[in-house]
Amino acid sequence: SQKIEQNSEALNIQEGKTATLTCNYTNYSPAYLQWYRQDPGRGPVFLLLIRENEKEKRKERLKVTFDTTLKQSLFHITASQPADSATYLCALEQDGGYNKLIFGAGTRLAVHP
Amino acid sequence: GAVVSQHPSRVICKSGTSVKIECRSLDFQATTMFWYRQFPKKSLMLMATSNEGSKATYEQGVEKDKFLINHASLTLSTLTVTSAHPEDSSFYICSARLAGRGNIQYFGAGTRLSVL
Repeated sequence: SQKIEQNSEALNIQEGKTATLTCNYTNYSPAYLQWYRQDPGRGPVFLLLIRENEKEKRKERLKVTFDTTLKQSLFHITASQPADSATYLCALEQDGGYNKLIFGAGTRLAVHP
Repeated sequence: GAVVSQHPSRVICKSGTSVKIECRSLDFQATTMFWYRQFPKKSLMLMATSNEGSKATYEQGVEKDKFLINHASLTLSTLTVTSAHPEDSSFYICSARLAGRGNIQYFGAGTRLSVL
C-alpha cells in the first residue's frame, strides 16, 4: 500500500541551528512533492514544491531535496528561529492524478531560544 | 493572493443537529475544492473532492449522506454535517486549487466542530 512517513517524534533544536526533517514514501511514483507548514488550530500553508527532475529547491532559509531513488525528501531550515516552530507536512499527489494530495502525519519542530 | 476563507472557525452544537461549514476562495476561482478532516496529531484525511457544478467525489468510507457537499459557484463550497453526533467532533479543513499553479492547495483556517 502507498505510505508517506514522517518522523512522528518532535524535533527540538536550538535557535540558529539547521533543522532537517525527513519524508519517506513507499509505493509511489510522484512527479513532485510538496511541503506545508501547519500551526496549531490552523490550516496548512504551502511552502515549497519540488519536481522529480529537480534535486534541490531553495526559498530563503528553506531548502528541499528530492531523491526518487531513495524515495525520500529532506526539508531544511537554516538559521532556525523560534517563529519556525510548527508542524511540517509533506504531501504527494495520489497516483493516477485526480489532483488529490496525500499528506504525511507531519513532524513537529520546536526551536528553542 | 490565493486566499481561502473558512467559516465558522469554531462551532459547538447539540447531538442531532446539522452544521454547515463554508469555504470561499476570495481572490480566485476554484473549480475544485477539497474537504479534509484532521484528528489531533494526525495527518489530514481527505474526505471528498468538491467539483463546481457537479456532484462531489467522496473517499472510501466517507458517508455522502452524512457529509453533504455543495459547490454551487466557482468561489464557494459548503460542507454540511447532518445529524451530528459526538464522534463527528473534529477539525475540518477545506482547500482550493489555483489554476496554473499545479496541484498546490490553499487552505482555509479550519473549523473546530464539537458535538455535545
